[in-house]
Amino acid sequence: ETGVTQSPTHLIKTRGQQVTLRCSSQSGHNTVSWYQQALGQGPQFIFQYYREEENGRGNFPPRFSGLQFPNYSSELNVNALELDDSALYLCASSIIAGLNYGYTFGSGTRLTVV
Amino acid sequence: AQSVTQLGSHVSVSEGALVLLRCNYSSSVPPYLFWYVQYPNQGLQLLLKYTTGATLVKGINGFEAEFKKSETSFHLTKPSAHMSDAAEYFCAVSEMLNDMRFGAGTRLTVKP
Repeated sequence: ETGVTQSPTHLIKTRGQQVTLRCSSQSGHNTVSWYQQALGQGPQFIFQYYREEENGRGNFPPRFSGLQFPNYSSELNVNALELDDSALYLCASSIIAGLNYGYTFGSGTRLTVV
Repeated sequence: AQSVTQLGSHVSVSEGALVLLRCNYSSSVPPYLFWYVQYPNQGLQLLLKYTTGATLVKGINGFEAEFKKSETSFHLTKPSAHMSDAAEYFCAVSEMLNDMRFGAGTRLTVKP
């Protein structure tokens, strides 16, 4: 079984720019969640997609948006980048099937905004 | 909304000593509880999870955790620390299966 793959691994952007981060989910997983992990902190929930629809959102502004595709790959888009957006962005895929519940995380994309 | 508090941002133990990482949660419904480990420059790896049933949960690498509803706790333990256990550990809680909330993490250092 394949794992979760994120690209790129590292990225440097300028304040005000837009960025797209990509995630390829584990085979058979119908749900993808995105997290932002600032340096020295725990991951913060951004949003979750289930069957291509947003299925929950954390306390992030609308300039953070996402897409999930039929092949279960997904994107995180961030517009109007701010310095505080610098963080490790983690993608996690999962199957929501009763108690068989668990996330598989990718290694993340480290975004630096300068 | 659910939340997690991890007591102690940094724990240091000697190799072979007991590891105890503390986690308290807040949840309005019976929660799902998790412990993850993160090595430098890597994503999160699931150590163990509690969903229902037996309150003592065994995970990978010799770790276990006990769900104590009366204390709203889910502390992680390992009888004997190994150098390879040095990492960042995160406790997480989920209520509705559509979001998982993490604690701030505890960095475990293992001294030879």
